[in-house]
Amino acid sequence: EDKVVQSPLSLVVHEGDTVTLNCSYEVTNFRSLLWYKQEKKAPTFLFMLTSSGIEKKSGRLSSILDKKELFSILNITATQTGDSAVYLCAVETSGTYKYIFGTGTRLKVLA
Amino acid sequence: GAVVSQHPSWVICKSGTSVKIECRSLDFQATTMFWYRQFPKQSLMLMATSNEGSKATYEQGVEKDKFLINHASLTLSTLTVTSAHPEDSSFYICSAASGVYNEQFFGPGTRLTVL
Repeated sequence: EDKVVQSPLSLVVHEGDTVTLNCSYEVTNFRSLLWYKQEKKAPTFLFMLTSSGIEKKSGRLSSILDKKELFSILNITATQTGDSAVYLCAVETSGTYKYIFGTGTRLKVLA
Repeated sequence: GAVVSQHPSWVICKSGTSVKIECRSLDFQATTMFWYRQFPKQSLMLMATSNEGSKATYEQGVEKDKFLINHASLTLSTLTVTSAHPEDSSFYICSAASGVYNEQFFGPGTRLTVL
């Protein structure tokens, strides 16, 4: 059975801290791995990763994929209270557009 | 990026009634649309996949007679929750995909509360 597991489930940090969120997966026919940020509404897209070892970066956020070890990490540096959200990892299987979501990591950044 | 809308954004209904939620791709043709359900503090769970002009494919454990999905055009899919019960109260999110884009685009979600 395909599955996506995220850790930790929740995290509380102070502004300025750096956090690393983990996503591991076991799926057949992997196509891509995606990261989303969800606040009160629907998820907003952060990154799509398809190749191992290539870091994607957007401001203070960055992510990398390891297809050999079947995991990805999402890093957030110099965290701000606005980073407080649930971060979702999803894996797309080839040919279907279908996403399997992980459980999410609930991040709270304290001022 | 492409835009997907949902209507209504929230709805409150009485137990036993049916509720229809619309999902529209505003600036692209969506060959495939997905419906997700998210309970509080849980992740998104895929309910069904619908392709334009064909029957939806439901995930295991999702009752197809209770959650009716119609994808009649390349820009519109509807989810009807029939005979809603309080346990159907949830956040329903749709997404749309096409061969042009390599990702799903999510709608803003519909919060359903069944009294």
